Amino acid sequence: DVQMTQSLSYLAASPGESVSISCKASKSISNYLAWYQQKPGEAYKLLIYSGSTLQSGTPSRFSGSGSGTDFTLTIRSLEPEDFGLYYCQQYYEKFTFGSGTKLEIK
Amino acid sequence: VQLVESGGGLVQPGKSLKLSCSASGFTFSSYGMHWIRQAPGKGLDWVAYISSSSGTVYADAVKGRFTISRDNAKNTLYLQLNSLKSEDTAIYYCARSLRRVYDYWGQGVMVTVSS
Repeated sequence: DVQMTQSLSYLAASPGESVSISCKASKSISNYLAWYQQKPGEAYKLLIYSGSTLQSGTPSRFSGSGSGTDFTLTIRSLEPEDFGLYYCQQYYEKFTFGSGTKLEIK
Repeated sequence: VQLVESGGGLVQPGKSLKLSCSASGFTFSSYGMHWIRQAPGKGLDWVAYISSSSGTVYADAVKGRFTISRDNAKNTLYLQLNSLKSEDTAIYYCARSLRRVYDYWGQGVMVTVSS
């Protein structure tokens, strides 16, 4: 199985700052990587797929990069609504998720 | 697009349960669908997938015990959970498949396996 590692389980930042969340695959997954956001009381939301393609409705301050084994989700100029949980997911071989990164307001 | 799960609850180890996911707002028969679960305090685990033509794929942890199915006439996705174990305790989410990722998720339904 492909293991996905999000090294940071917790990240604190202030509105207006930029943050990056990393995700590492245990083997090359090309660009078969997606990012999801979860906020309390809301359904999970697809943000990015194919490593860097923004899902319809995802604000342009979000961007994804990487291929192979190392991937990054970057959020420029954080808005209050961006705070929540972020998961990466590979879909190269079946489907596995990272352990999640909680982004909180500093 | 709306996905609403139901059928969860408390069940004893070794027993069975059937989850439903009612879909609306899109042509259900045209999309593959997934079940994903999240154990309390844990991360997300993919459980099963069914294609628009009803081909199925399962995670190793549930293969042989869980069965995913769909009724396109009722716009409903199902997950039959048999031989339940305590480690199956989780929130179960249904999600629509878009190019192998999940573009819409339900709010989830809780399944608790305990004696």
